[in-house]
Amino acid sequence: NAGVMQNPRHLVRRRGQEARLRCSPMKGHSHVYWYRQLPEEGLKFMVYLQKENIIDESGMPKERFSAEFPKEGPSILRIQQVVRGDSAAYFCASSREPASNQPQHFGDGTRLSIL
Amino acid sequence: GNSVTQMEGPVTLSEEAFLTINCTYTATGYPSLFWYVQYPGEGLQLLLKATKADDKGSNKGFEATYRKETTSFHLEKGSVQVSDSAVYFCALSDQGETSGSRLTFGEGTQLTVNP
Repeated sequence: NAGVMQNPRHLVRRRGQEARLRCSPMKGHSHVYWYRQLPEEGLKFMVYLQKENIIDESGMPKERFSAEFPKEGPSILRIQQVVRGDSAAYFCASSREPASNQPQHFGDGTRLSIL
Repeated sequence: GNSVTQMEGPVTLSEEAFLTINCTYTATGYPSLFWYVQYPGEGLQLLLKATKADDKGSNKGFEATYRKETTSFHLEKGSVQVSDSAVYFCALSDQGETSGSRLTFGEGTQLTVNP
């Protein structure tokens, strides 16, 4: 049973380019969470999605960032016009149910570097 | 809002030493509590969890007890090994109407175990 798959593992972009990060949840999981980890810091919640719906995007920057989880295919975190401050590790997690006692399973992350 | 405070690192121990990593939390509801471990270059792995007061989570020799009276969830291990070297994150999940089971993380504690 494959775990949460994220790709690419490493992504390098120049300032002003777009970054697309992909996440395939565990089989049977329909709840997806994105977190960002800045260097030397803990993880910060960004967005929570179910299939075709954004449920909570209160942790997302208001501009340049967007997320989707289509009916078919992986969840996508998209960052437009990247800046140096976007350099971080982006982790996706999935769960079977939204209940707070259900653990989230994490992917290995995408490490985004902005030149 | 919810918050998690972990003891500051880094922590350096000799093999077979006793480990304690302190974690306290603030939450508005009745959260579930988790410890996650992150090895270099990897995502977070669930180490243990507790979903209600006085529950004890345990795994791989690690233990933590959910103490509601002191709002704490300290991680302990009686005898650490070199392979335990990693970053440890305390986290809580407090299900809200729109937030699913989003996790709130502490800042992480870097543990290094020397032979």
